[in-house]
Amino acid sequence: DQQVKQNSPSLSVQEGRISILNCDYTNSMFDYFLWYKKYPAEGPTFLISISSIKDKNEDGRFTVFLNKSAKHLSLHIVPSQPGDSAVYFCAAMLYAGGTSYGKLTFGQGTILTVHP
Amino acid sequence: ETGVTQTPRHLVMGMTNKKSLKCEQHLGHNAMYWYKQSAKKPLELMFVYNFKEQTENNSVPSRFSPECPNSSHLFLHLHTLQPEDSALYLCASSQVSGNTGELFFGEGSRLTVL
Repeated sequence: DQQVKQNSPSLSVQEGRISILNCDYTNSMFDYFLWYKKYPAEGPTFLISISSIKDKNEDGRFTVFLNKSAKHLSLHIVPSQPGDSAVYFCAAMLYAGGTSYGKLTFGQGTILTVHP
Repeated sequence: ETGVTQTPRHLVMGMTNKKSLKCEQHLGHNAMYWYKQSAKKPLELMFVYNFKEQTENNSVPSRFSPECPNSSHLFLHLHTLQPEDSALYLCASSQVSGNTGELFFGEGSRLTVL
């Protein structure tokens, strides 16, 4: 049973417009949600995270929204730039004290293409 | 070197071979991980090491054998693998204290089992 799902395999947007990447989860006990970005031939890099006690976190052009009642989170990129073209992974973590770190449950990823 | 480095980047092996993947982190972290990414599947956690001690084995078959001699180095020993083990193997590291999921990944080792 996949606990974290990204139902859109790909997304294409025009430079300067908003990119919205979506993620759904089933486990209401998750404490943290994260987005990672991956370029070809590179490892994933951490982008932004949000605690389950918040509904929004912003970092520059990137904003993550959390809707706990819907078990849904989204990543907004405004404005989108061609350099944002990458695979975006949603991930979730249960915080169970000292041994929970790094034990992330990932979604399948969404390929974002930003056209100039 | 900085960050997390993995070698080799690409590996092709037969089902009877024995090979090893190596990971080294230069970030001063005290936890290291192996994740696996198969085609069209999410990244899956395989092993977690905290201060050289294995704290997680996510039901990984014994043909995968991890080794963590110190907090900076992590190995994944491979033997008698199956073609379905072909995947991208990613090493990651992190701090333990106060960590809320931020991992630092290497570039991965692309494994093909013939």
